Amino acid sequence: DIQMTQSPSSLSASVGDRVTITCQASQDISNYLNWYQQKPGKAPKLLIYDASNLETGVPSRFSGSGSGTDFTFTISSLQPEDIATYYCQQYDNLQLTFGGGTKVEIK
Amino acid sequence: QVTLKESGPVLVKPTETLTLTCTVSGFSLSNARMGVSWIRQPPGKALEWLAHIFSNDEKSYSTSLKSRLTISKDTSKSQVVLTMTNMDPVDTATYYCARFTDYGDYDYWGQGTLVTVSS
Repeated sequence: DIQMTQSPSSLSASVGDRVTITCQASQDISNYLNWYQQKPGKAPKLLIYDASNLETGVPSRFSGSGSGTDFTFTISSLQPEDIATYYCQQYDNLQLTFGGGTKVEIK
Repeated sequence: QVTLKESGPVLVKPTETLTLTCTVSGFSLSNARMGVSWIRQPPGKALEWLAHIFSNDEKSYSTSLKSRLTISKDTSKSQVVLTMTNMDPVDTATYYCARFTDYGDYDYWGQGTLVTVSS
């Protein structure tokens, strides 16, 4: 099975800061990588699909990049409402895996 | 409007079998571009994919849990059912169903249902 290593596991940043989260796959997954935001007590919300495509209605401060094994998720200017845990998720050959999550807090 | 809603017991005893139902609306389980998955999340921990089922009835299971899981669907009732055998306290989690698209992502999720395994 493909393993997804997400880092950091948590971070603290100030409002307006640029925030970057990485996800590394244990083997080549092309661009089959998605990013989700989960707020406490809520179901995850899709933000980015196919590594770099912004889901409809998601603010443009969120972005994703990468292909193969290394992927990056960026919040260009952190806002108070972005406090959440973020997960990457890969899809390869009918098997899915989520990363371990990154908890984003305000400094 | 697409919605998914999980239902099932909130408490099961160790060794029992868990049966969860996901009732969907706003799309058909026979839609060739869609599937439904089950995903769980133990308290304070990460998401874990369990299984999914496609419109053509093709199924896929988590390698680590495959022996304990069965997924099925009833298109006429718009329901997807997951059974998990031999429940253990470590299976305590919020169980979600979610719609799986042909981009390999989940665009709609249920609210989740917390299942506690305890004697």
